Amino acid sequence: GNSVTQMEGPVTLSEEAFLTINCTYTATGYPSLFWYVQYPGEGLQLLLKATKADDKGSNKGFEATYRKETTSFHLEKGSVQVSDSAVYFCAPEHTGGFKTIFGAGTRLFVKA
Amino acid sequence: DSGVTQTPKHLITATGQRVTLRCSPRSGDLSVYWYQQSLDQGLQFLIQYYNGEERAKGNILERFSAQQFPDLHSELNLSSLELGDSALYFCASSANPTGATYEQYFGPGTRLTVT
Repeated sequence: GNSVTQMEGPVTLSEEAFLTINCTYTATGYPSLFWYVQYPGEGLQLLLKATKADDKGSNKGFEATYRKETTSFHLEKGSVQVSDSAVYFCAPEHTGGFKTIFGAGTRLFVKA
Repeated sequence: DSGVTQTPKHLITATGQRVTLRCSPRSGDLSVYWYQQSLDQGLQFLIQYYNGEERAKGNILERFSAQQFPDLHSELNLSSLELGDSALYFCASSANPTGATYEQYFGPGTRLTVT
């Protein structure tokens, strides 16, 4: 079945630093790929998505590129802000069934 | 605001008790998902309903059950509660029965504390 592995946290960065959160997955076929973000005290919300190979999803300065060859969907941001402090979840579309799989989540702390 | 509502926001109860968590999906969404999020932040998929029918099951304990009603709201019933059931319980809804093909919209969660 499908599975996802994402970078363990917490990740602590200073404001304006570059962010990368790694995500790799195993899946049958070529699933759509999603990043969700959970701000403190809130539910998850979709951050960005990519639906086919080489697509780049982007939102709020975050980007992730669908890499079919390496089955990866790494999240990047060029200059993080304190307001980006949250937990980030990688989630591949589930193929061959209906169960939804989320990565373990990576907590990001951004210091002023 | 995702459009998904959950009640109650907080629930404190004793071991051995039974509670019911309620979720109303976004208008028009037929799929409802339930998740448990523990303190270590992991998100565990429990169960999915689509238009009243159970669609997929994750790691849901036998002490837990859920249903989706004709008006599409859903309830998650947790019985014989144990200390380890203390967690955040999220409901999400989606327009598509296969779930992650389209994004899921999450409610604000119910924080359950079992003492």
